Amino acid sequence: GENVEQHPSTLSVQEGDSAVIKCTYSDSASNYFPWYKQELGKGPQLIIDIRSNVGEKKDQRIAVTLNKTAKHFSLHITETQPEDSAVYFCAATGNRDDKIIFGKGTRLHILP
Amino acid sequence: DSGVTQTPKHLITATGQRVTLRCSPRSGDLSVYWYQQSLDQGLQFLIQYYNGEERAKGNILERFSAQQFPDLHSELNLSSLELGDSALYFCASSVMMVPWSGYTFGSGTRLTVV
Repeated sequence: GENVEQHPSTLSVQEGDSAVIKCTYSDSASNYFPWYKQELGKGPQLIIDIRSNVGEKKDQRIAVTLNKTAKHFSLHITETQPEDSAVYFCAATGNRDDKIIFGKGTRLHILP
Repeated sequence: DSGVTQTPKHLITATGQRVTLRCSPRSGDLSVYWYQQSLDQGLQFLIQYYNGEERAKGNILERFSAQQFPDLHSELNLSSLELGDSALYFCASSVMMVPWSGYTFGSGTRLTVV
């Protein structure tokens, strides 16, 4: 079935260091991979996405990489700041492009 | 403000009751998706509507139903409520039928069943 695995479930990094969150997906037909950030009391917010025909995408301190062969994709946050503390979700489209399937989330703590 | 409006923000009700959650999508968006978020299950897809028609169904219980109206707002109806239905319910919208541009989420409805 369609599945997205995400790890770690919790990540603590020192302010200014980098954070990496990794995901795998099960369906080789998946072709769109968004990342969402959810702050306390709010809905998830799209922060970056990547299509299957692209291997890497960067937006300021955030970058995503995709390895279609291995069905892996990752989120990299550099020079972390206190406002980066949140829950991050990776996701992938299902095999019929009819929905987005989410990983279970990573709670990122930025330590002062 | 994301542009997706969900009401009510909080709902407390008793087991066995029925509730209706409402969602107004972002202006111009034709697709509406409903998700359930619980602590142990993460974000679970329930159902999608596109321009008034049901397009995809996830693990939605038979006690739950939804619809999208001509003005594109959507309602999620939950009946015969059980304690385990307590969760955050999110609505999201997108322009296209397929989610390639990503979703815009509302701020959710927190349902507590007592």
